[in-house]
Amino acid sequence: NAGVTQTPKFRILKIGQSMTLQCTQDMNHNYMYWYRQDPGMGLKLIYYSVGAGITDKGEVPNGYNVSRSTTEDFPLRLELAAPSQTSVYFCASKMGQGFSYEQYFGPGTRLTVT
Amino acid sequence: AQSVTQLDSQVPVFEEAPVELRCNYSSSVSVYLFWYVQYPNQGLQLLLKYLSGSTLVESINGFEAEFNKSQTSFHLRKPSVHISDTAEYFCAVSESNQGGKLIFGQGTELSVKP
Repeated sequence: NAGVTQTPKFRILKIGQSMTLQCTQDMNHNYMYWYRQDPGMGLKLIYYSVGAGITDKGEVPNGYNVSRSTTEDFPLRLELAAPSQTSVYFCASKMGQGFSYEQYFGPGTRLTVT
Repeated sequence: AQSVTQLDSQVPVFEEAPVELRCNYSSSVSVYLFWYVQYPNQGLQLLLKYLSGSTLVESINGFEAEFNKSQTSFHLRKPSVHISDTAEYFCAVSESNQGGKLIFGQGTELSVKP
């Protein structure tokens, strides 16, 4: 198993550009999450999904969109990049709702918007 | 609303010394508590968790944490640290009715020096 994979590892965007951060998991997990990590701020939940076709907002969804057309993939879309979106983005997944299920994290995407 | 506070942003210690990383939370309902570790340039990994039962939980690499309901704390301890424990540690909480969503603290950077 590759686990949770994210692409790209690094990206520099200009203000107003758009991009999609890719996230794929090969563990057949139902739940998937997108977080952003800012220095000294911990991780904040952007969006999450409890299964294919179902998504919901987290704490900081503004400026982002997601889709979940398959169990494996959960891409995060930035439509009009802003400097405030400079951050490290982590995707995570887990099998089900209960806490006996561990969240598995990808290696992250480091995004800079200038 | 629930929140998590990690009281120390950086903790420098010498190898083989004991360490305590402090975590306090606020919540009005039952909670589940977690510690995650993030090694440099990697995603987060679950270190240990408290769901119910014994208030003292242990990890496989010698860390332990104790859930203290009266003090709303979940401090992480290790009696003797190694260089390889150098990492950032995140405390996280989820309320029993939040469907698996985690709220993270700001993180504590543990730096172990020889």
